[in-house]
Amino acid sequence: AQTVTQSQPEMSVQEAETVTLSCTYDTSESDYYLFWYKQPPSRQMILVIRQEAYKQQNATENRFSVNFQKAAKSFSLKISDSQLGDAAMYFCAFEANSGYALNFGKGTSLLVTP
Amino acid sequence: GAGVSQSPSNKVTEKGKDVELRCDPISGHTALYWYRQSLGQGLEFLIYFQGNSAPDKSGLPSDRFSAERTGGSVSTLTIQRTQQEDSAVYLCASSLDFGYTFGSGTRLTVV
Repeated sequence: AQTVTQSQPEMSVQEAETVTLSCTYDTSESDYYLFWYKQPPSRQMILVIRQEAYKQQNATENRFSVNFQKAAKSFSLKISDSQLGDAAMYFCAFEANSGYALNFGKGTSLLVTP
Repeated sequence: GAGVSQSPSNKVTEKGKDVELRCDPISGHTALYWYRQSLGQGLEFLIYFQGNSAPDKSGLPSDRFSAERTGGSVSTLTIQRTQQEDSAVYLCASSLDFGYTFGSGTRLTVV
């Protein structure tokens, strides 16, 4: 079984600043995918960024980047130049290549202040 | 449609009543998932449909929960004899190859 842990229930960042959200996971799988999803008040889960475990290079999507440390089983999300629209719940998720269901952490609520 | 559509958006029901939640996936997506999000929790996997294969029901919390997918498209999640602990947001997602598209969920409140 896989577990995903997000140790920060809430985080706050000022507009234009940088914030890092933490995620660790536990698995015996060698081939898997990691995701960060954003959930605004509309409730729809929106994919922010995706990382394949076999890739050493960290994924980036515009202002969003990850720090993937496979040996440490760590997958943090960095948001640069934070914007008010970034305020939301952020969920880290794991999917084994041998499976099909996403395993989610409990989420981090991100507040962006002007 | 362009996205995953779920109905109703919100549902309030009395304890002991049955409810049906509907999910319209993206046309052509062969995989469909139901997840449950309880207050302050992450998403909990409930059930998975893939094409015409038998669904994976391993995440259903009790035999009061069931789901079906008709014609490989629309899915209905049914909860019988609802209990207060069933109160949650129920999210549906569909997928073709990789990547999931989620709906906006149904918020179920059992009073």
